[in-house]
Amino acid sequence: GQQVQQSPASLVLQEGENAELQCNFSTSLNSMQWFYQRPGGSLVSLFYNPSGTKHSGRLTSTTVIKERRSSLHISSSQTTDSGTYLCALDSNNRIFFGDGTQLVVKP
Amino acid sequence: DTTVKQNPRYKLARVGKPVNLICSQTMNHDTMYWYQKKPNQAPKLLLFYYDKILNREADTFEKFQSSRPNNSFCSLYIGSAGLEYSAMYLCASSRWQGGAETLYFGSGTRLTVL
Repeated sequence: GQQVQQSPASLVLQEGENAELQCNFSTSLNSMQWFYQRPGGSLVSLFYNPSGTKHSGRLTSTTVIKERRSSLHISSSQTTDSGTYLCALDSNNRIFFGDGTQLVVKP
Repeated sequence: DTTVKQNPRYKLARVGKPVNLICSQTMNHDTMYWYQKKPNQAPKLLLFYYDKILNREADTFEKFQSSRPNNSFCSLYIGSAGLEYSAMYLCASSRWQGGAETLYFGSGTRLTVL
């Protein structure tokens, strides 16, 4: 079965709205990493977050190991936030990706 | 320099012809990975090198080859491309960080097989 379940699969926002992206995992966790990919671009690391909460500008990542979940919160979304957001779980030296969330932020 | 470089950015290949993709990093990372990514799908691990040891995934074992002549370079080789190989190919490298790995990705090579 799939080790990482990411939701939602797609999300459309109006500029200024907030977004909450989720990853739930079914295996043991060494770390969780969140990536962003602009259409046609490379995967850019947003957070490396094995546990707890981390902030970077308008982005917040929270990983709760005992609940087997990690979230990415985007506040006051902008059109430039549009793209694909992927979570990647590092479990015992193997890395599992979620299927991604396609985010579209409309002006 | 924390970038992972991939060449070429775009690649066009004919069915049945070989394809060779190149990846390099200068971060002295011990592990380098190749992923295949198709639209709306998660990146799929094809193989990875830990130092000089190559690990290939069971379901792609016979489809992809790789070489790592030194720590900085890693190639992905397709002996005979098929239409199903059309995808983005992502190279990544990693370093051990506090008991887990942080991945750094290249920009990818978009392969189109005709």
